[in-house]
Amino acid sequence: AQSVTQLDSQVPVFEEAPVELRCNYSSSVSVYLFWYVQYPNQGLQLLLKYLSGSTLVKGINGFEAEFNKSQTSFHLRKPSVHISDTAEYFCAVSEYGGATNKLIFGTGTLLAVQP
Amino acid sequence: DVKVTQSSRYLVKRTGEKVFLECVQDMDHENMFWYRQDPGLGLRLIYFSYDVKMKEKGDIPEGYSVSREKKERFSLILESASTNQTSMYLCASRLGLGYNEQFFGPGTRLTVL
Repeated sequence: AQSVTQLDSQVPVFEEAPVELRCNYSSSVSVYLFWYVQYPNQGLQLLLKYLSGSTLVKGINGFEAEFNKSQTSFHLRKPSVHISDTAEYFCAVSEYGGATNKLIFGTGTLLAVQP
Repeated sequence: DVKVTQSSRYLVKRTGEKVFLECVQDMDHENMFWYRQDPGLGLRLIYFSYDVKMKEKGDIPEGYSVSREKKERFSLILESASTNQTSMYLCASRLGLGYNEQFFGPGTRLTVL
């Protein structure tokens, strides 16, 4: 069975500082990996996804993530955050070639950007 | 753009009431999903539907049922609401089984008193 771990429930950071949100997964098969963002009082929006190919994936709003198979990680990074990046971020995994391609979500990381 | 709408943003119901949460998508997607979101637990899958009249239990189906009579609409039903079903409910849709990205609605925050 697959699982996703987001160790940091909350990450406070000052505006214009870099940030990394950590995500580790567990799976016995190859996976697809996703980061979703949830702004206050909204649904989830896809930030970026890794399906295959280059392990460095670029997404919207200046975010990027790197797939590391040996460390089973998919950490999300941004070199300089803005106040508007304050949101909850969810990492998710889906089994490659699975019958249902269900998404398994982590517990989320709240990014709190302070001025 | 795919649009997924949910009938209510906020809902307050009493224990024992029958509750209907409605979700509509406008992009002819085959698959639809219902999740509940709780602090510290992330999103947990309640039910999903591959196609019209087809449904499958997710990880936490107890106390819930679903209905999908038309392709664009997926309803979540709480037969007898209980206080432990107070939560944020998110609906999502996906083009089909060979695809991965899910598109989410804005959510319904349900409070059961």
